Amino acid sequence: SQQGEEDPQALSIQEGENATMNCSYKTSINNLQWYRQNSGRGLVHLILIRSNEREKHSGRLRVTLDTSKKSSSLLITASRAADTASYFCATDLITGNQFYFGTGTSLTVIP
Amino acid sequence: DAMVIQNPRYQVTQFGKPVTLSCSQTLNHNVMYWYQQKSSQAPKLLFHYYDKDFNNEADTPDNFQSRRPNTSFCFLDIRSPGLGDAAMYLCATSRDALNTEAFFGQGTRLTVV
Repeated sequence: SQQGEEDPQALSIQEGENATMNCSYKTSINNLQWYRQNSGRGLVHLILIRSNEREKHSGRLRVTLDTSKKSSSLLITASRAADTASYFCATDLITGNQFYFGTGTSLTVIP
Repeated sequence: DAMVIQNPRYQVTQFGKPVTLSCSQTLNHNVMYWYQQKSSQAPKLLFHYYDKDFNNEADTPDNFQSRRPNTSFCFLDIRSPGLGDAAMYLCATSRDALNTEAFFGQGTRLTVV
């Protein structure tokens, strides 16, 4: 079952601008992850944030997590055309090994 | 080197003809997952294995089965493919699901004719 929803569904920005995507989920989690998917390819892990963390950085990526609101955001700074892809959040369940993806945001970065 | 390998990359099968997709991993991870992804949608979890322990999602159709003969290999069997089963099938692994990332294969795109 799908656990999360993301907004916006699609985002188009100019190269050099920042891109922000939001994820909301339904149940308590152990951690939340963000993945990237280029068209027709597998998913690539970007960053994992634990439920007891509020913010995490990795290069041009910044992720925040608000467990009280059951939401997370992914910020990509100084975007590049190569960042064009779909971005998915994924949340696990406290009770098991499985994790579920949100609906995804399709990001287009215009050169 | 690819760590999660799915074969084939593209599979065409006839309506109703059983088909098997395969996934292998070199990571020695405990958990293996199968996801179905239809066009412009999020990956949907079908089932996963923790070691030999099989876990089916409640809404996964009976038409979908899986086998994991050893740590390295996992198979997805579609017993009677319908047109609605055309999708990308993604295999993933993780050491365990708590606080570890998942590694995905490139996927198998299944076409049903």
